[in-house]
Amino acid sequence: DQQVKQNSPSLSVQEGRISILNCDYTNSMFDYFLWYKKYPAEGPTFLISISSIKDKNEDGRFTVFLNKSAKHLSLHIVPSQPGDSAVYFCAATAIQGAQKLVFGQGTRLTINP
Amino acid sequence: NAGVTQTPKFRILKIGQSMTLQCTQDMNHNYMYWYRQDPGMGLKLIYYSVGAGITDKGEVPNGYNVSRSTTEDFPLRLELAAPSQTSVYFCASTNRRGPGRMNTEAFFGQGTRLTVV
Repeated sequence: DQQVKQNSPSLSVQEGRISILNCDYTNSMFDYFLWYKKYPAEGPTFLISISSIKDKNEDGRFTVFLNKSAKHLSLHIVPSQPGDSAVYFCAATAIQGAQKLVFGQGTRLTINP
Repeated sequence: NAGVTQTPKFRILKIGQSMTLQCTQDMNHNYMYWYRQDPGMGLKLIYYSVGAGITDKGEVPNGYNVSRSTTEDFPLRLELAAPSQTSVYFCASTNRRGPGRMNTEAFFGQGTRLTVV
């Protein structure tokens, strides 16, 4: 029962182009969504988040879009840089309560020079 | 400013041995969590705590125990290690979301890579 799904295990993008990472969820109780970035041998680091009361949140090169009716969110990185190469995890939580995160399987993003 | 610190970074255990994974945070966070990550998978919640003296099971608690005697520390105990517990373990912490506070990102430690042989 995978409540958060990232259907693309890997994505390869040319440097300078847009990277789009996708995530779907099934639990309607989720009202806060986060993206984490993970380099090998390190812990995940927070990248950007969005509340269910918004449909877009922007932070520099990173933008997250939320489509509640489709239970879908996406992370856009523009322009993509070689340092963006990492595994990206989508996570969801219900703000009320213990704020436990439910993670997707991750997408490995490779930015090619 | 250390954040979340996990020890050890690596460990090899024999089947049936026990060990404690240490986690400490210096951000005065109320909430702490233990996750495990298996190859090609996302992180799964083992146990969590919403404050000192309070712990609860997550999605995959079998074979583990935790305690939370202080705000800073949240050790994870493995009794009778099994090959299925070979994984990378991450500890995380965050603060309870207060009124008007939207951000609730969790901060993660660097992980403990455990192999059971």
